[in-house]
Amino acid sequence: AQTVTQSQPEMSVQEAETVTLSCTYDTSESDYYLFWYKQPPSRQMILVIRQEAYKQQNATENRFSVNFQKAAKSFSLKISDSQLGDAAMYFCAYRSAIRGNTPLVFGKGTRLSVIA
Amino acid sequence: GAGVSQSPSNKVTEKGKDVELRCDPISGHTALYWYRQRLGQGLEFLIYFQGNSAPDKSGLPSDRFSAERTGESVSTLTIQRTQQEDSAVYLCASRLTVYTGELFFGEGSRLTVL
Repeated sequence: AQTVTQSQPEMSVQEAETVTLSCTYDTSESDYYLFWYKQPPSRQMILVIRQEAYKQQNATENRFSVNFQKAAKSFSLKISDSQLGDAAMYFCAYRSAIRGNTPLVFGKGTRLSVIA
Repeated sequence: GAGVSQSPSNKVTEKGKDVELRCDPISGHTALYWYRQRLGQGLEFLIYFQGNSAPDKSGLPSDRFSAERTGESVSTLTIQRTQQEDSAVYLCASRLTVYTGELFFGEGSRLTVL
């Protein structure tokens, strides 16, 4: 079974600075998708960024980018120019592309605080 | 609807009572998922529905948990004889199908069992 590990329960960053959230995963599959979700106090999970494993290029969405290291099974999220609205729980998630109907597997999350 | 809608937003119940949680997915989304999020934990998969196919119940933690969905409409998650360990946020999500489309989440139902 696939597992996703987020080793940082909490992180903090100064406003306008850069922070990196770590995620590692375990799988024997070669084709899969990785995701970062943001969960603000409203509880609604919001997709931040997505990476297809077959793509070598790291995904980028505005201030959010990932460092995808397939051999190391590492998928970190970098938030540049942090804003107060970035404060939230961040979850890393995995989904098989081979068994496309399997649900997402989530890590335990990292709580990010942004200091003004 | 415009988004995934869940009700109630918060529910407090006594141990041993039954509870029903409702999820109204995005119109046209054939796949619907239920997840449980305990305090300080990630999301645990409970069950998913895909159209009229048999649901995948592999994540349900015990026979006290059940869920129904009629066609591609509303789903109800039922927890019978609630226990304190059932206290959690129950999140519902929907997708176009189990194979395609982004996953959209509702705001969850927070269940507290006293």
